[in-house]
Amino acid sequence: DGGITQSPKYLFRKEGQNVTLSCEQNLNHDAMYWYRQDPGQGLRLIYYSQIVNDFQKGDIAEGYSVSREKKESFPLTVTSAQKNPTAFYLCATSDRGTGELFFGEGSRLTVL
Amino acid sequence: AQSVTQLGSHVSVSEGALVLLRCNYSSSVPPYLFWYVQYPNQGLQLLLKYTSAATLVKGINGFEAEFKKSETSFHLTKPSAHMSDAAEYFCAVSGTSYGKLTFGQGTILTVHP
Repeated sequence: DGGITQSPKYLFRKEGQNVTLSCEQNLNHDAMYWYRQDPGQGLRLIYYSQIVNDFQKGDIAEGYSVSREKKESFPLTVTSAQKNPTAFYLCATSDRGTGELFFGEGSRLTVL
Repeated sequence: AQSVTQLGSHVSVSEGALVLLRCNYSSSVPPYLFWYVQYPNQGLQLLLKYTSAATLVKGINGFEAEFKKSETSFHLTKPSAHMSDAAEYFCAVSGTSYGKLTFGQGTILTVHP
């Protein structure tokens, strides 16, 4: 089945802990993105990568880190430096020429 | 640079009534425009997209949107609302055919029986 798999779907974290969210795709898309969603604020871009071993900061990168060692994978680490990490995190991919984003099912992170 | 404004964070309609969700954009280049739908605790699903072909774009589930350059608008409509249309809707803009999208704040659509 082609698609984007995010895991875990729900995650709880204590303050001061780092946590890594997984995003895997088998659509063979070059570009991958991480968005953060908060109620009433739409989606805000955290990081994106258009090619393996390269990535760029989005609008709200502080307190987050990413890697892109494989085309299929784009994990996001929420570090202890992120002051308000509780949110819904969405991974997306895009292919050249279509412009549209394809989304995973999301991961909901709650900091206790 | 691009930006999107969705007018109305909540819209409520009766089943069978017209659905109108408003979106205005700002873009320094000819835009690519999108409408997405999101059901609770799920990812976003593409409803339709405008990529400089026909100005009236038809999407899935009976939705359509019209690109009006003079008004910088891309409003989403559906002639007759269904209970299953209740969800959150996002308008998005991009300046290229391959790149990051900028999203609006979202509009929650409620459909009453």
